[in-house]
Amino acid sequence: LVLTQSPLSLPVTLGQPASISCKSSQSILYNDGNTFLNWFQQRPGQSPRRLLYSISDRDSGVPDRFSGSGSGTDFTLKISRVEAEDVGVYYCMQGSHWPPRYIFGQGTKLEIK
Amino acid sequence: EVQLVESGGGLLQPGGSLRLSCVASGFRFNSYAMNWVRQAPGKGLEWISYISSTGSNMRYADSVRGRFTISRDNAKSLLYLQMNSLRAEDMGVYYCAHGWGFDYWGQGTLVTVSS
Repeated sequence: LVLTQSPLSLPVTLGQPASISCKSSQSILYNDGNTFLNWFQQRPGQSPRRLLYSISDRDSGVPDRFSGSGSGTDFTLKISRVEAEDVGVYYCMQGSHWPPRYIFGQGTKLEIK
Repeated sequence: EVQLVESGGGLLQPGGSLRLSCVASGFRFNSYAMNWVRQAPGKGLEWISYISSTGSNMRYADSVRGRFTISRDNAKSLLYLQMNSLRAEDMGVYYCAHGWGFDYWGQGTLVTVSS
């Protein structure tokens, strides 16, 4: 299983939208119909924080300017209007729950132009 | 409030051993699987190990299998990672992460491997 993110570097003007792609080498669909695809944000000097799970479900406290979409092997994280606090590295993550094996994308570094 | 606090990191020589700990609070520890994830300096995230809620099932990434051992003490809400035969490429920040969803992370503990 390989996750390929693009772009790896993303300079964005404040207030403008941003989009990050995550392509999986395999489609992982669980019996319950859910796809295990998470997005994480890691701000400079901080631990990773989960933003989205099951492709598009936002975690508590995550602003609604963050959204996720996709299916099968192609997924996207979108930020509708980038704010200064969004600077950091974004990772997608996928894996199998049994046997447990997880993989992260390479990361996309978002910076303000 | 869920809290995960790692400890035990330090400076080791290649070939050395170290045990990391992660103390959990704010949730029923014995009901959740746990994971270790590491991050080499300036690099991305790498999942390295999983343990089931009861401690009966463990899994490892190829990069650490046979050298690292994950365990837990549910009575004390503690997660461990025993690291043996350390290599330079094992250097980095080690995080514990909650559950199958990786929805909570600790602040990490730094492991430095250098001669």
